[in-house]
Amino acid sequence: QVQLQESGPGLVKPSGTLSLTCAVSGGSISSSNWWSWVRQPPGKGLEWIGEIYHSGSTNYNPSLKSRVTISVDKSKNQFSLKLSSVTAADTAVYYCARSGIYCSGGSCSYYFDYWGQGTLVTVSS
Amino acid sequence: EIVLTQSPATLSLSPGERATLSCRASQSVSSYLAWYQQKPGQAPRLLIYDASNRATGIPARFSGSGSGTDFTLTISSLEPEDFAVYYCQQRSNWPPGTFGQGTRLEIK
Repeated sequence: QVQLQESGPGLVKPSGTLSLTCAVSGGSISSSNWWSWVRQPPGKGLEWIGEIYHSGSTNYNPSLKSRVTISVDKSKNQFSLKLSSVTAADTAVYYCARSGIYCSGGSCSYYFDYWGQGTLVTVSS
Repeated sequence: EIVLTQSPATLSLSPGERATLSCRASQSVSSYLAWYQQKPGQAPRLLIYDASNRATGIPARFSGSGSGTDFTLTISSLEPEDFAVYYCQQRSNWPPGTFGQGTRLEIK
């Protein structure tokens, strides 16, 4: 059973950099899956931040691309998120998730099938 | 960017009733659509992928249908544990991955 666990500071100062790590257990980060970050402001909906493949290939949400960096550490079976120049609008529960590959009808796609429990990051001075 | 619009925003039903949730895409996503369930204080859970396929361990009372721009999640007979928020998400035009704004299913 794949498990994901987020870790990192729960409080970040405005204009600072938010840094989180997601440790993956029960499976290899080098498997044929993408690894994502998704966030959810308090009381609001879900926003996809970006994803990384074990090769280091990344995709980012264009609305956050200028501030986001996602990296992978295969030796530690984990991946990380950095979000720079944060403001109060970046206050949210941050989830890491696996985008598992699903195939049907001769085509394949990726969906978020395993999630961490989420960690609340508050941006405040 | 593809916009997903879910309706209704809130659905009030009783256990045992049938629930029908809608998700409409601003342009075709083919069948690359998923549904997630989220309970308070928990991470979302994958229910349906590729519009109509149940994920592992999901009860048969959950079903998905649709293609192109119009999709439906149906819960045939509501159990007490089904009251939650449901999100649709498209994987057709990627990036970015977009979610709908959610439908809250509450006990009447």
